[in-house]
Amino acid sequence: DGGITQSPKYLFRKEGQNVTLSCEQNLNHDAMYWYRQDPGQGLRLIYYSQIVNDFQKGDIAEGYSVSREKKESFPLTVTSAQKNPTAFYLCASSIFPGAYYEQYFGPGTRLTVT
Amino acid sequence: AQSVTQLGSHVSVSEGALVLLRCNYSSSVPPYLFWYVQYPNQGLQLLLKYTTGATLVKGINGFEAEFKKSETSFHLTKPSAHMSDAAEYFCAVHSNSGYALNFGKGTSLLVTP
Repeated sequence: DGGITQSPKYLFRKEGQNVTLSCEQNLNHDAMYWYRQDPGQGLRLIYYSQIVNDFQKGDIAEGYSVSREKKESFPLTVTSAQKNPTAFYLCASSIFPGAYYEQYFGPGTRLTVT
Repeated sequence: AQSVTQLGSHVSVSEGALVLLRCNYSSSVPPYLFWYVQYPNQGLQLLLKYTTGATLVKGINGFEAEFKKSETSFHLTKPSAHMSDAAEYFCAVHSNSGYALNFGKGTSLLVTP
């Protein structure tokens, strides 16, 4: 059964700690994306990757980092430099890069930092 | 810059009534436009998309949207609301880079019995 998995569903951290959110897909998609969702704000792009070992900053990349060492995996690290990290984080993938292709979303990780 | 504006952060309809969710876009190039639905604490699911061709686009769950270039609109409709349609709906347009999506702020649809 193909899809995108994000773990954990809920994550709690203390301020000042880095935390890594997992995103795995078994759809054999080339492109992967990370979005941040805040209430009433819609989704905002953090990073995207068109292919393995390549990634580009989105609109709100400050305080975040990513890696793309494998086609199926695109982990997101929320660093202590991110001033307001509490949010719902969504990972997505598409078969090829480009907005023409449908993006498939994972179930999300809700991060709470106190 | 490509962007979308969703008019109305909350819309309430009665079960069986027409659903109309509004989206206007701004784009310097012919746009790719999308509607996604999100149920509570879940990811997004594509309802429909417009890229080129027919301006009336049919999607899943009985939804459809019409691309109107003269009005820069891409409103989402469904003839008869069902309780299961209650969710958050997002309109999106392709980003400047062409690789990602710019989303609207969302419209929460409430369906009352």
